Amino acid sequence: GAVVSQHPSWVICKSGTSVKIECRSLDFQATTMFWYRQFPKQSLMLMATSNEGSKATYEQGVEKDKFLINHASLTLSTLTVTSAHPEDSSFYICSARPYDNEQFFGPGTRLTVL
Amino acid sequence: AQTVTQSQPEMSVQEAETVTLSCTYDTSESDYYLFWYKQPPSRQMILVIRQEAYKQQNATENRFSVNFQKAAKSFSLKISDSQLGDAAMYFCAYREKLTFGTGTRLTIIP
Repeated sequence: GAVVSQHPSWVICKSGTSVKIECRSLDFQATTMFWYRQFPKQSLMLMATSNEGSKATYEQGVEKDKFLINHASLTLSTLTVTSAHPEDSSFYICSARPYDNEQFFGPGTRLTVL
Repeated sequence: AQTVTQSQPEMSVQEAETVTLSCTYDTSESDYYLFWYKQPPSRQMILVIRQEAYKQQNATENRFSVNFQKAAKSFSLKISDSQLGDAAMYFCAYREKLTFGTGTRLTIIP
């Protein structure tokens, strides 16, 4: 089956630093990838849609300058949390779509900002 | 905007019994997809089943089946012969740009 990886699985950083999270589709090409955020005991909230070779589309309320998304190839999308603060601590999940209406999720990245 | 509502934050069921998780949604579109995802403690999202709105037949995947009522905008998940491995958070989701419900935590009682 389709496999999506995320790296790192867990990252701790100091307030004010930037953190990059990678999302890779390992055995398929994905023209579209999605980034979600999940707070403890809550549902997933879509942050942005990432299309290969073009700018990401951000959901309302998501700061595009804070959450930089790059989808440079058909197998890799990155999310950079810039100038991270404790309120950015969360679980970040990516998904990749090889064809319409089927998404495969990565295992998630736990970000802790001290 | 589409909304997805799961009114049961927690459910429990005896092992080997059947349980139904509820989901309602709101949309003005006529053609769309609906999904049920499972999130075990590992937090890996796993697709359980999906339904295409234009198909009248309810989707079935082994022990998992849905009751899709398009007019009522209802999409419930039935788990038959519940197993310990079914314990997880279950999320109902709408369409390919997924709008998730708030989830139902399912506990299996051995």
